[in-house]
Amino acid sequence: AQSVAQPEDQVNVAEGNPLTVKCTYSVSGNPYLFWYVQYPNRGLQFLLKYITGDNLVKGSYGFEAEFNKSQTSFHLKKPSALVSDSALYFCAVMPSGTYKYIFGTGTRLKVLA
Amino acid sequence: DTGVSQNPRHKITKRGQNVTFRCDPISEHNRLYWYRQTLGQGPEFLTYFQNEAQLEKSRLLSDRFSAERPKGSFSTLEIQRTEQGDSAMYLCASSEGLPEAFFGQGTRLTVV
Repeated sequence: AQSVAQPEDQVNVAEGNPLTVKCTYSVSGNPYLFWYVQYPNRGLQFLLKYITGDNLVKGSYGFEAEFNKSQTSFHLKKPSALVSDSALYFCAVMPSGTYKYIFGTGTRLKVLA
Repeated sequence: DTGVSQNPRHKITKRGQNVTFRCDPISEHNRLYWYRQTLGQGPEFLTYFQNEAQLEKSRLLSDRFSAERPKGSFSTLEIQRTEQGDSAMYLCASSEGLPEAFFGQGTRLTVV
């Protein structure tokens, strides 16, 4: 079965420190990979995607993600966390030939002042 | 506002009643999606339209669920004979050209 794993329910990081939110996937072929963020009472917001090319992709609000094909991972990173980055982050995969997402269960990021 | 609009934002209904939700996608987006999100879980795919054609339905979408997009613009999701297990956030998203989809704020359904 195709799946996306976000092994950490919550990640705590001090403001100004680098952050990493982990994501691995089990999907055949060459899926597209995405990160979304969900703030309270707001819809899911697109952060970034990997389609092909450079393994490091840059997105909104200073976030970037690193694709590793051999480890089937797509970890979200930011060099310096802000308190306003505190939110729920979802990794998603779009299998080849479809337009539907398979989402992970989400990781709550808490950035402490 | 040119984002995806969903109505109502909240719906409380008694078990056994029918409910209908509406989604207005971003103008001219030809693809429209419905997802369901329960507490502590990521969104789960329900169904997808390209223009007015419903191209894919999840096995999660039982016979009590039906979705339409009659003119390729707005869409409705109807749940008949609601059950407590239907309580969830129902999300609509749309896209055009690019693979990434843009989500609405969702409709929260509570079945009592």
